[in-house]
Amino acid sequence: GEDVEQSLFLSVREGDSSVINCTYTDSSSTYLYWYKQEPGAGLQLLTYIFSNMDMKQDQRLTVLLNKKDKHLSLRIADTQTGDSAIYFCAERNNQGGKLIFGQGTELSVKP
Amino acid sequence: AAGVIQSPRHLIKEKRETATLKCYPIPRHDTVYWYQQGPGQDPQFLISFYEKMQSDKGSIPDRFSAQQFSDYHSELNMSSLELGDSALYFCASSLGGGSTYEQYFGPGTRLTVT
Repeated sequence: GEDVEQSLFLSVREGDSSVINCTYTDSSSTYLYWYKQEPGAGLQLLTYIFSNMDMKQDQRLTVLLNKKDKHLSLRIADTQTGDSAIYFCAERNNQGGKLIFGQGTELSVKP
Repeated sequence: AAGVIQSPRHLIKEKRETATLKCYPIPRHDTVYWYQQGPGQDPQFLISFYEKMQSDKGSIPDRFSAQQFSDYHSELNMSSLELGDSALYFCASSLGGGSTYEQYFGPGTRLTVT
């Protein structure tokens, strides 16, 4: 079945790196995503990774994918207070493209 | 760049009333997905359309129906509203029935049922 798991909370100090982890179960997923949601706001697509990649870097964001362990991580370098939000990991169902989301990780950045 | 538009942004209804939520996808996008996000929950897939045909169905109550029109906008119709329907409803759009990586979300419609 499809299931995506994330830890619920992460607290870091401004300037440190944040690492948010996610595990998924559908090994046939071709795309995996990270979305950011600020309080009361919509879902902002941060980055995605194709399943044949191990790593993708986009400015301060680094995504690592371990297909064998079905583990995805998002590293945010030089974390800022503006990065405080809930981060959702999602896998894409290959039939029709619906997204299956994790529970979300609430990132709190302390000055 | 144009984004996904949802209307209304906020809606307050009473129990047993009906509600209609609208979604206007990014220009040229032919695929629309609807998700429901309850308080403190992750978004849950409801239903999707590709080229005006229903392409997938998730945990959508029988009281809800949806359709996609010729201009690719979509409407989610909700009847006999219950308190538990209070949530943020997101629409997302994509191209080619989900064959590309893109899936961009609108700002959501916050439905409150009293």
